Amino acid sequence: GAVVSQHPSRVICKSGTSVKIECRSLDFQATTMFWYRQFPKQSLMLMATSNEGSKATYEQGVEKDKFLINHASLTLSTLTVTSAHPEDSSFYICSARMTSGGGWEQYFGPGTRLTVT
Amino acid sequence: KQEVTQIPAALSVPEGENLVLNCSFTDSAIYNLQWFRQDPGKGLTSLLLIQSSQREQTSGRLNASLDKSSGRSTLYIAASQPGDSATYLCAVRVNNQGGKLIFGQGTELSVKP
Repeated sequence: GAVVSQHPSRVICKSGTSVKIECRSLDFQATTMFWYRQFPKQSLMLMATSNEGSKATYEQGVEKDKFLINHASLTLSTLTVTSAHPEDSSFYICSARMTSGGGWEQYFGPGTRLTVT
Repeated sequence: KQEVTQIPAALSVPEGENLVLNCSFTDSAIYNLQWFRQDPGKGLTSLLLIQSSQREQTSGRLNASLDKSSGRSTLYIAASQPGDSATYLCAVRVNNQGGKLIFGQGTELSVKP
């Protein structure tokens, strides 16, 4: 149980275009989802926290107009990178926290590798 | 501001060795601590979660300890195998920031056959 999926697993886009990444909790309901970014050989940096039905809370230094997060249901959150640039190339990982019974343990998706050319 | 540090950054051992990975954190006001494994280009797999009131957790060949007062945790891997090769990440969940996970930089482990 407690599986989180991401789609796509890998995406290449041209500079200036937008790309959407989906995060789904497959077998549980998640009121809270988290989006992280990871650069090569570095740790995960939290970008934003999203709660179902409300606006996401962004970490300091993360541009909310560039990284649009929508947590439309208890099983789906999306991250849209708008007007992507090469410096946005990174590994994006989402995580979901169970609504109940799961304490505060988070379950992580397999990640999405974004390359902006 | 909570900071998490992992030492060493990289470790290479021969198969069969027992090994210890270290994690330290600056603020002892944590809700729990979690150890993860990350294979190259993949997401995270949770290994062990220790609540702040606990001292250790065990799962198979893995044992994680927590000393909250000194801000330290260790992950002990017994009888290491080549399949254990991965990056191991330590993360603490802070009490006063909505339960955010703060990650260390990770230890890249290589177990040689």
